[in-house]
Amino acid sequence: GNSVTQMEGPVTLSEEAFLTINCTYTATGYPSLFWYVQYPGEGLQLLLKATKADDKGSNKGFEATYRKETTSFHLEKGSVQVSDSAVYFCALSGASKIIFGSGTRLSIRP
Amino acid sequence: DGGITQSPKYLFRKEGQNVTLSCEQNLNHDAMYWYRQDPGQGLRLIYYSQIVNDFQKGDIAEGYSVSREKKESFPLTVTSAQKNPTAFYLCASSIGEGYGYTFGSGTRLTVV
Repeated sequence: GNSVTQMEGPVTLSEEAFLTINCTYTATGYPSLFWYVQYPGEGLQLLLKATKADDKGSNKGFEATYRKETTSFHLEKGSVQVSDSAVYFCALSGASKIIFGSGTRLSIRP
Repeated sequence: DGGITQSPKYLFRKEGQNVTLSCEQNLNHDAMYWYRQDPGQGLRLIYYSQIVNDFQKGDIAEGYSVSREKKESFPLTVTSAQKNPTAFYLCASSIGEGYGYTFGSGTRLTVV
């Protein structure tokens, strides 16, 4: 069945560092791929998405490219800020529902 | 502004009591979902509904019940049969497959 695997956290970086959070998936067909972000005590917010191979989703300086050949959708940001501290979830659209990864906690030091 | 509203934000109940969590959306979305999140954990699907008057069990439906009498509303009842109900509950809605979810801000349930 469909599944998502993302790197375990926590990930701790200094402000202005480069961020990569790895995400790989297993799926039949051509699912849409998503990154969601969850700030403490809140629900999840859609950060970006890509609907087909080689699409690049981007938002708020974050980017991810849908790579069918490597079944990956890694999240990147060139220069992180303290305000980026949150939990990040990779996800894919399955039959009738979205399948989420286990989440990666990101902490940014000033 | 369209959105999805969960209430209350915090809920306390005594062990053995049923409790109902509210979820309302004004996005005109057909599909709605309930997830449970435990500290430091990912999301686990409880129930989902793709259309009014129809719903399906998710991965952890035991001890929970839902109804979908109106398109806008998808309340979740946590029954006394749920062994460990203390958790953060998230409701979401979607316009359809492949479109992603809009989430509510969650209800934190504490059973004492």
